[in-house]
Amino acid sequence: GAVVSQHPSWVICKSGTSVKIECRSLDFQATTMFWYRQFPKQSLMLMATSNEGSKATYEQGVEKDKFLINHASLTLSTLTVTSAHPEDSSFYICSARGGRARGYTFGSGTRLTVV
Amino acid sequence: GENVEQHPSTLSVQEGDSAVIKCTYSDSASNYFPWYKQELGKRPQLIIDIRSNVGEKKDQRIAVTLNKTAKHFSLHITETQPEDSAVYFCAASEGKLIFGQGTELSVKP
Repeated sequence: GAVVSQHPSWVICKSGTSVKIECRSLDFQATTMFWYRQFPKQSLMLMATSNEGSKATYEQGVEKDKFLINHASLTLSTLTVTSAHPEDSSFYICSARGGRARGYTFGSGTRLTVV
Repeated sequence: GENVEQHPSTLSVQEGDSAVIKCTYSDSASNYFPWYKQELGKRPQLIIDIRSNVGEKKDQRIAVTLNKTAKHFSLHITETQPEDSAVYFCAASEGKLIFGQGTELSVKP
């Protein structure tokens, strides 16, 4: 079946630094990638949608200058959290659609802790 | 944009009983309605889905019903088992996948 590999699975960073999270579709072409954030005991909140080769579309309330999304190829999308602060600590997860993948294929998630 | 409401937020049942989780959506353009089971710190796992041209779908102990007119869809789990205990999310999509708030299901042996 369709597989999306997400790295890192967890990361701890200092306040003010930037962190990059990668999602790779291993066996299909991800024409669309979705990025979600999930706080403890809450739902998955859509942050942005990106199509390969295009600028990402951000949901209302999500700072596009803080959460930089790059979807330069059909198999790789990255989310960079810039100038991270403790309130950015969360579970970030990507989801891809495209090609022969049926429905939405989720990455394994990244637990970000900003100290 | 799409808004998905899910109820109840918590549900406790005895092993062997049925569990029902309900969702409503706002965007009539939504045409795909998946249900996910999520364990702590893990990715959501698709357990069943339904498209807007179908009213009901069943897979062993799990079934989903869709009422497009009322914009309601529901998850039914029969003969619940302790291993069914988890957080369940409904979602709706017309392109973007929007999640409900989640239901924490507890199945007591």
